Amino acid sequence: NAGVMQNPRHLVRRRGQEARLRCSPMKGHSHVYWYRQLPEEGLKFMVYLQKENIIDESGMPKERFSAEFPKEGPSILRIQQVVRGDSAAYFCASARFSDRDTEAFFGQGTRLTVV
Amino acid sequence: KQEVTQIPAALSVPEGENLVLNCSFTDSAIYNLQWFRQDPGKGLTSLLLIQSSQREQTSGRLNASLDKSSGRSTLYIAASQPGDSATYLCAASNSGYALNFGKGTSLLVTP
Repeated sequence: NAGVMQNPRHLVRRRGQEARLRCSPMKGHSHVYWYRQLPEEGLKFMVYLQKENIIDESGMPKERFSAEFPKEGPSILRIQQVVRGDSAAYFCASARFSDRDTEAFFGQGTRLTVV
Repeated sequence: KQEVTQIPAALSVPEGENLVLNCSFTDSAIYNLQWFRQDPGKGLTSLLLIQSSQREQTSGRLNASLDKSSGRSTLYIAASQPGDSATYLCAASNSGYALNFGKGTSLLVTP
């Protein structure tokens, strides 16, 4: 059973471009979470998605950021018109259930660099 | 708003020593607390998950304790090895899903 797969592992974008980060959850997992780790900072929760639904996006910046988890295919975190401050490591986690006893498994992250 | 603090920020010990990593959190109404390991440029590996009703969890040379009333958790590593060198992250969950992470303790175990 493959773990949580994120791609690309590294992404370089120029200011103003769009960044698309992909996350394929573990087999059988229908709950996906995105976190951002800024340099010298701890991981911060961004968004919680189930298939075709956004459950909690309280950690998402209000502008330029969006996330989806379609019925088929990976979850996508999309950043429009990237700025240097978006440079960070973005981690995806998945879980089988949503209750508090369920452990979430993390991917290896996508490291976004905005130049 | 939950704030998670980890002390020390960095720690260097010789191989074979037992060590304790500390984590404190401001909101004691947590569902669970997790300890993770993060290797440079890599993802997070879950080490131990402690539910709010539990006091401790053990896995091999690792033991994590939880004291909700004081807002503290400790990760005890016995007989440290160079392969234990990594950043250790503590994360508390108040919602049952979203994790609030500390900044981590960077551990170096020297041969």
